[in-house]
Amino acid sequence: GAGVSQSPSNKVTEKGKDVELRCDPISGHTALYWYRQRLGQGLEFLIYFQGNSAPDKSGLPSDRFSAERTGESVSTLTIQRTQQEDSAVYLCASSLDRKHEFFGPGTRLTVL
Amino acid sequence: AQSVSQHNHHVILSEAASLELGCNYSYGGTVNLFWYVQYPGQHLQLLLKYFSGDPLVKGIKGFEAEFIKSKFSFNLRKPSVQWSDTAEYFCAVSGSSNTGKLIFGQGTTLQVKP
Repeated sequence: GAGVSQSPSNKVTEKGKDVELRCDPISGHTALYWYRQRLGQGLEFLIYFQGNSAPDKSGLPSDRFSAERTGESVSTLTIQRTQQEDSAVYLCASSLDRKHEFFGPGTRLTVL
Repeated sequence: AQSVSQHNHHVILSEAASLELGCNYSYGGTVNLFWYVQYPGQHLQLLLKYFSGDPLVKGIKGFEAEFIKSKFSFNLRKPSVQWSDTAEYFCAVSGSSNTGKLIFGQGTTLQVKP
């Protein structure tokens, strides 16, 4: 595609439910990143995928968070047993060279 | 600890005023530095970046930034802002030899009054 796409654009869920967020990177981009932006704060790194290498999960805030990516395609970020503090905009970015990241529009998650 | 600090959270300027947004970072080793911008209703996009060489870098729409290594700073400047520069601006850093994952500042909201 022309850019990074994410779905859904908005998600409202109840505390304790699981949610799955999707990211479609730019075709050919081997690197994929997930970030989180809570209200009034900067973006926080969550996880990084590079090709078929083991992902860098150092930014995941708890074991309720997980992400998968098959090859160099779509990635899904899953949050289990959501909490109110998980409310944020979740941004995905992809990169060809790990020097310039192209960001998607984000998924706004609201946990009631 | 690795961190980025943006001094101004909300800046209001009139058109044609000069702009300088402060950014300081804490990061061990050689760094790559970035400014990203998010216009209302749009995606986050790259404004400019510094990897090496001339510490004064020029980006899109007349923006420039200067890397001052001794001050761990990468301030963003524009001599004359326009109403269309109203946006949120983020400074970010990554290690030059690592995965490219970015550490962001909290962001600065710039409002330009016509």
